[in-house]
Amino acid sequence: DAKTTQPTSMDCAEGRAANLPCNHSTISGNEYVYWYRQIHSQGPQYIIHGLKNNETNEMASLIITEDRKSSTLILPHATLRDTAVYYCIVRQRGGADGLTFGKGTHLIIQP
Amino acid sequence: GAVVSQHPSWVICKSGTSVKIECRSLDFQATTMFWYRQFPKQSLMLMATSNEGSKATYEQGVEKDKFLINHASLTLSTLTVTSAHPEDSSFYICSATRLAGKETQYFGPGTRLLVL
Repeated sequence: DAKTTQPTSMDCAEGRAANLPCNHSTISGNEYVYWYRQIHSQGPQYIIHGLKNNETNEMASLIITEDRKSSTLILPHATLRDTAVYYCIVRQRGGADGLTFGKGTHLIIQP
Repeated sequence: GAVVSQHPSWVICKSGTSVKIECRSLDFQATTMFWYRQFPKQSLMLMATSNEGSKATYEQGVEKDKFLINHASLTLSTLTVTSAHPEDSSFYICSATRLAGKETQYFGPGTRLLVL
């Protein structure tokens, strides 16, 4: 699976949109971009994933650049409960292997 | 949908004893379950992959005789930490994938193990 690069930490004001970037310049054509988050002392929570089109669900939006070398996770109206470590993971389509977690981005929502 | 539970949520045991952790997929059948370990201030590390009815596959550096995994049904996998020592104290997390759409993993809430 391709490697990803994320900022170590980010701050965002409550009520604002939180935009979390991820670089995956070596991504191949059959690899998805997945986002998970881990709130302190809990198991990771699946957020969203995409291949090349932008995706939106009830939690977030995922914007993938046309060349697929980077993506942005958008939390449209951040709340204090969104404070967590966010992991961007690239994963092969049809892959059934375990996930490789990097260090992720520690997002802190400020009141 | 896609709820995964773990039991117990935390456990304290004496050094030398064995501890069993259960992972269940509550509303779906899971072909594959995974076990991860997370030490304080570190990221999750994959320990092993478990497929129903077959032997688990362990990652390099994980002792299969120490961390026994059983995946007896499509909704239950167990991890037994045998002869636990203080260095085994960690946060153990399982995940599961559905029969279809197997790329997405759904995680349990984790089990915190403290070995005294």
